[in-house]
Amino acid sequence: GAVVSQHPSWVICKSGTSVKIECRSLDFQATTMFWYRQFPKQSLMLMATSNEGSKATYEQGVEKDKFLINHASLTLSTLTVTSAHPEDSSFYICSAVEVERGHNEQFFGPGTRLTVL
Amino acid sequence: GQSLEQPSEVTAVEGAIVQINCTYQTSGFYGLSWYQQHDGGAPTFLSYNALDGLEETGRFSSFLSRSDSYGYLLLQELQMKDSASYFCAVGGNFNKFYFGSGTKLNVKP
Repeated sequence: GAVVSQHPSWVICKSGTSVKIECRSLDFQATTMFWYRQFPKQSLMLMATSNEGSKATYEQGVEKDKFLINHASLTLSTLTVTSAHPEDSSFYICSAVEVERGHNEQFFGPGTRLTVL
Repeated sequence: GQSLEQPSEVTAVEGAIVQINCTYQTSGFYGLSWYQQHDGGAPTFLSYNALDGLEETGRFSSFLSRSDSYGYLLLQELQMKDSASYFCAVGGNFNKFYFGSGTKLNVKP
C-alpha cells in the first residue's frame, strides 16, 4: 500500500524559533497533500492543501505567513511553523491522496508532535 | 462550510456489534470516509462511500444515505484491539476532507 513518512516524529523547540516538518510519499506520486493539526483528544483540523508546483490553499483562520507550506516535488511537502509559540504545540499530520484508479483514500503520515517551550 | 456530528463515546463488550453514526452538512459532497485512530497514532483508512448503500469489508461495514446526509460505521465481532477513536470525514472538491469530532470506542472484556 501507499506509504507516507514524516520527519521529525517529534520536536521540542524554544519560543520564537522556526520548525520545519517534512512529509514524503514513499511509493507513489502525490500532486496534492494535506496538512492537519490535532490537539489532544480532539479531531483533525484541516490547515491547508498543498499543491505541487503552486501555492498552498489555506483554510479559514489559518495564518499563511505563520505556517509556510512548500510542495517542491511530487513526493515532498514541507510545513514550516515560523516564530513558534507555546500555543502552536500540537500534533501535526500530513496526508496524501492516491487519485489513480479512482482511489479516494487518504494516506496519513505518522505525525509530528511539536512542543514549544 | 462543513459540520459533522458523531457520538463522543461508545462502550461495548467483546464479540458485540456496535454502530457509530455520523450526520453531516456540507456543500459539494463527494463521499463519506471512516478512519480509525489509536492513541498517539496516525489515522488509518477504513472505508469510503460515494454512493448510497452498504459497503462491507470484513468485520467492518459502512453505510451512506445521501438524501439523509447520514452514514454509519458498523463494527461486528468486536475485539479489544478495536478500542480506538473513529472519525467520519466528508470529501469535497479537490479531495479535501473534513473530519468529525471523533467517537471513542471502548471495548470491554
